[in-house]
Amino acid sequence: EVQLVESGGGLVKPGGSLRLSCEVSGLRFSSYTMNWVRQAPGKGLEWVSSISSSSTYIYYADSVKGRFTISRDNAKNSLYLQLNSLRAEDTAVYYCARRAIAAMDYWGQGTLVTVSS
Amino acid sequence: EIVLTQSPGTLSLSPGERATLSCRASQSVSSTSLAWYQQKPGQAPRLLIYGSSSRATGIPDRFSGSASGTDFTLTISRLEPEDFAVYYCQQFGSSWTFGQGTKVEIK
Repeated sequence: EVQLVESGGGLVKPGGSLRLSCEVSGLRFSSYTMNWVRQAPGKGLEWVSSISSSSTYIYYADSVKGRFTISRDNAKNSLYLQLNSLRAEDTAVYYCARRAIAAMDYWGQGTLVTVSS
Repeated sequence: EIVLTQSPGTLSLSPGERATLSCRASQSVSSTSLAWYQQKPGQAPRLLIYGSSSRATGIPDRFSGSASGTDFTLTISRLEPEDFAVYYCQQFGSSWTFGQGTKVEIK
């Protein structure tokens, strides 16, 4: 069974930092591009960042460029997202998702990040 | 950045009816680079369609997708009670943007 389990969310003050993790099992993690997608409360989906299988190619949405850093550890089957200089508008559920072909076929259940003073 | 505009914002239909959801791209998007997702409250999105018209594993054949230029369509031939949800399109051409979603609600 394929499982993607996010963790690391929580309440943080504006300007603060968090590190999200996504532990993957049941699939060959090291072979796939992985993504972070977020969803603000009551809003739609927003792609945040992507990292290729060997970390060669990394991309960010303009809204998080320079503040968020994606990384992965293929030996640990884990994906990470370092969130720095957090703003209220970063409040969202953050999902990790696997990219296969031109779609995201496996998703985690999400972890909530709340940025508030 | 390619903007995807979904319409209508909300679709009010009864079980058994046909649902037609639209997704229009602001620039050319390859038909191989467009996907559709379903999301229910409190759940992660679920992949329905990739490559504009290919159903993902386990997706019933009442779901179908098509493409014509910059216009993409998701059709649900006969709505089942479990199909009432929010649907998103996503493109993988330039950056990876989502549409704003269409809510299919029970009339």
